[in-house]
Amino acid sequence: GAVVSQHPSWVICKSGTSVKIECRSLDFQATTMFWYRQFPKQSLMLMATSNEGSKATYEQGVEKDKFLINHASLTLSTLTVTSAHPEDSSFYICSAQGGSVYGYTFGSGTRLTVV
Amino acid sequence: ILNVEQSPQSLHVQEGDSTNFTCSFPSSNFYALHWYRWETAKSPEALFVMTLNGDEKKKGRISATLNTKEGYSYLYIKGSQPEDSATYLCAPLNTDKLIFGTGTRLQVFP
Repeated sequence: GAVVSQHPSWVICKSGTSVKIECRSLDFQATTMFWYRQFPKQSLMLMATSNEGSKATYEQGVEKDKFLINHASLTLSTLTVTSAHPEDSSFYICSAQGGSVYGYTFGSGTRLTVV
Repeated sequence: ILNVEQSPQSLHVQEGDSTNFTCSFPSSNFYALHWYRWETAKSPEALFVMTLNGDEKKKGRISATLNTKEGYSYLYIKGSQPEDSATYLCAPLNTDKLIFGTGTRLQVFP
């Protein structure tokens, strides 16, 4: 079946540095990609929706200058956490619209720890 | 903002037991309800997409029902097996966005 490959699966970075997370759709084109964040014991919260070739749409309360999303091709979307701080430590996961009769195909997530 | 509640938060059952979980969501502006199965370190795997009131779907030992008028869905697992251990998420669709519950974490002991 369709796969969304997400990398890295986990990353530890120093406070103040930037981290890039990639989601790549294999065997299908993802016009729209959704980025979620999950804090411990909480649900997956939608951060932003990215459409290929256009600016991402951010949910209320999500800083667009801090979480840069690029969706430059139909198979690749990236999320860059800029100037990361410990409070950005979380689980980030992407979901591509398409690739499945169910409508959405998820990556396997990235555990970010900022020290 | 949609408030999606799942219960119980966690469940421990013996192999062979049948079990069920609940997903509650606002019934207004309903489009569809998705159920996912999520094993640790893997991608969430879609189980069902349900749209019609009274819908009932089945996949092997897993089945789900939907009541859009009162805003709830049940997921049933018959004869649980250790490989059913996972977190089960429900997500109503709000326009084109999935709004997730916190999930029910199921652990099946042999």
